[in-house]
Amino acid sequence: AQSVTQLDSQVPVFEEAPVELRCNYSSSVSVYLFWYVQYPNQGLQLLLKYLSGSTLVKGINGFEAEFNKSQTSFHLRKPSVHISDTAEYFCAVSDGDDYKLSFGAGTTVTVRA
Amino acid sequence: EAGVAQSPRYKIIEKRQSVAFWCNPISGHATLYWYQQILGQGPKLLIQFQNNGVVDDSQLPKDRFSAERLKGVDSTLKIQPAKLEDSAVYLCASSFSGNYNEQFFGPGTRLTVL
Repeated sequence: AQSVTQLDSQVPVFEEAPVELRCNYSSSVSVYLFWYVQYPNQGLQLLLKYLSGSTLVKGINGFEAEFNKSQTSFHLRKPSVHISDTAEYFCAVSDGDDYKLSFGAGTTVTVRA
Repeated sequence: EAGVAQSPRYKIIEKRQSVAFWCNPISGHATLYWYQQILGQGPKLLIQFQNNGVVDDSQLPKDRFSAERLKGVDSTLKIQPAKLEDSAVYLCASSFSGNYNEQFFGPGTRLTVL
């Protein structure tokens, strides 16, 4: 099973500032990578996914992520955040063998005016 | 399209009591997952069903947890007896098939064991 490390447990950021959430995973021949967002008292919603092809992936709500195979990373970015982006963000990985998702511990993003 | 439904949303019980959670997946989704999300951690897969058969239950504490998916649609997850460490949010998710197709999550059931 994959191991996923989200390097920041909490990220405070001002409105309209950029944000980057870091995610590293244990090495594997082939992986599928995901970012999910969880708003308070809600389930997880898929932001974006990398399955193959271009290493720069664009998702919903202006988020994007870049897959870096050599560094086994899949960092999430947004150039300008809104108050409504306050939520918890989870990086998830599955390898090519069983497709099961392994989640990181999550990063709490708090956007302040 | 209706999403994944779960009930109840909140449950408080005493330790050693039993509790059951219900999940109704998105119509047509053959694969159903139950996750446990302890505060401050990411979701951990407990059990995966493909139609009404179990694909993976390696992380399910079988001495106290059980799950079933009769008729390949709704599913119930039961804990008997509950322990303090079972306090968590229990998430149900479904997907069209068991591969990397997107998993859609329900709102979860927050269990507090006192």
